Amino acid sequence: QVVLVESGGGVVQPGTSLRLSCVASGFGFSDYIMEWVRQPPGKGLEWVSLISSDLSKRYYSDSVKGRFTISRDNFKNTVSLHMRNLRPDDTAMYFCARRVAGSDVWGQGTLVIVST
Amino acid sequence: DIVMTQPPDSLAVSLGERATIHCKSSRTVLYRSNNKNYLAWYQQKPRQPPKLLISWASTRESGVPDRFSGSGSGTDFALTISSLQADDVAIYYCQQYYGSPPYTFGQGTKLEI
Repeated sequence: QVVLVESGGGVVQPGTSLRLSCVASGFGFSDYIMEWVRQPPGKGLEWVSLISSDLSKRYYSDSVKGRFTISRDNFKNTVSLHMRNLRPDDTAMYFCARRVAGSDVWGQGTLVIVST
Repeated sequence: DIVMTQPPDSLAVSLGERATIHCKSSRTVLYRSNNKNYLAWYQQKPRQPPKLLISWASTRESGVPDRFSGSGSGTDFALTISSLQADDVAIYYCQQYYGSPPYTFGQGTKLEI
């Protein structure tokens, strides 16, 4: 069974850091592009970041560039998102997803709330 | 960045009727060398992650009912549900994955009965 499970979300203060993780199982993780997508409460989907299967390419949305870093460990079947200098508008459910053409496998998400 | 627009934000359709959701991109997502449109459609129900319905603008994912179909090319696309079922009530998003990221989503269309 192909599964992605996110963790690491929580309530944090503005300006602080948080690291999200996503563990994959049931497929050849090292063969796939992985990405993060977020969804603020009651709003639409926002693409955040992507990492190639061989770690050679990483991309970010303008809204997180310079603050977020995506990484992966192909031995531990894990993709991570290190988020720094968090702002209230980073509040969202964060999903990790596997990309083939579209994103065909999604986790259930982990909620990040940035608030004083 | 390519901007994706989905007018209108919401749509009400009767059970058994046809529903058509539109998506427009600010630039072409058709890659001429392989004649493929880099456009996907997702369905999202409350408190669930999105579900991929269609990729390459018109290729249905395995297990997706054949009442769902995708059409269009270049900058104008549509997702059609041929006969609306109660279970189809959801928000539908288009997403382009042309070239290098960012892979932008439309704002979503809420489909209601």
